[in-house]
Amino acid sequence: GENVEQHPSTLSVQEGDSAVIKCTYSDSASNYFPWYKQELGKGPQLIIDIRSNVGEKKDQRIAVTLNKTAKHFSLHITETQPEDSAVYFCAVIDDSNYQLIWGAGTKLIIKP
Amino acid sequence: GAVVSQHPSWVICKSGTSVKIECRSLDFQATTMFWYRQFPKKSLMLMATSNEGSKATYEQGVEKDKFLINHASLTLSTLTVTSAHPEDSSFYICSARPPGLANEQYFGPGTRLTVT
Repeated sequence: GENVEQHPSTLSVQEGDSAVIKCTYSDSASNYFPWYKQELGKGPQLIIDIRSNVGEKKDQRIAVTLNKTAKHFSLHITETQPEDSAVYFCAVIDDSNYQLIWGAGTKLIIKP
Repeated sequence: GAVVSQHPSWVICKSGTSVKIECRSLDFQATTMFWYRQFPKKSLMLMATSNEGSKATYEQGVEKDKFLINHASLTLSTLTVTSAHPEDSSFYICSARPPGLANEQYFGPGTRLTVT
């Protein structure tokens, strides 16, 4: 079955700097890759997603890149702000049952 | 669009009692909803897939008789934790899948259950 690995587990960056979180997956047939942001005590919120027919997608300060050959995708946050502090999860859809396979999460800390 | 609500947001109950958690899709109909459990500092763990009008599909290791799921309408699924014990204390999160979108899930805000 699909396996997703996410790194780093914790990332601390200075406010205004960029943050990059990486995930790798095992099933080359996977074609949908969402990123979720979870604030303390709240449910995950979809912030950006990418499908396998594109290599990059951008939404203001957030971007996701996908390398299908290497089977990894990354979340890029530029000009980080205090409100970006949260836990970020990558996920991959398991094509056999359309369930989300989750990464372990990255705690992003924005230092003022 | 694609808003999912949960009620209650938090609940404290005594051991041996049952607790019902509601998950509603507010602006779309969801034939499929999912129930997750999340332990502190961990990722989400899928408990079951809830399909409207049919029995839920439970993941391996999840007790069907303990975690009762009912998906009676296209906008409401409920999770009932029966005979709750302290080890059932957790953060429970539901998600709903919009029709025609096999990949996307939208999540509720979660319910914090504490069993004393």
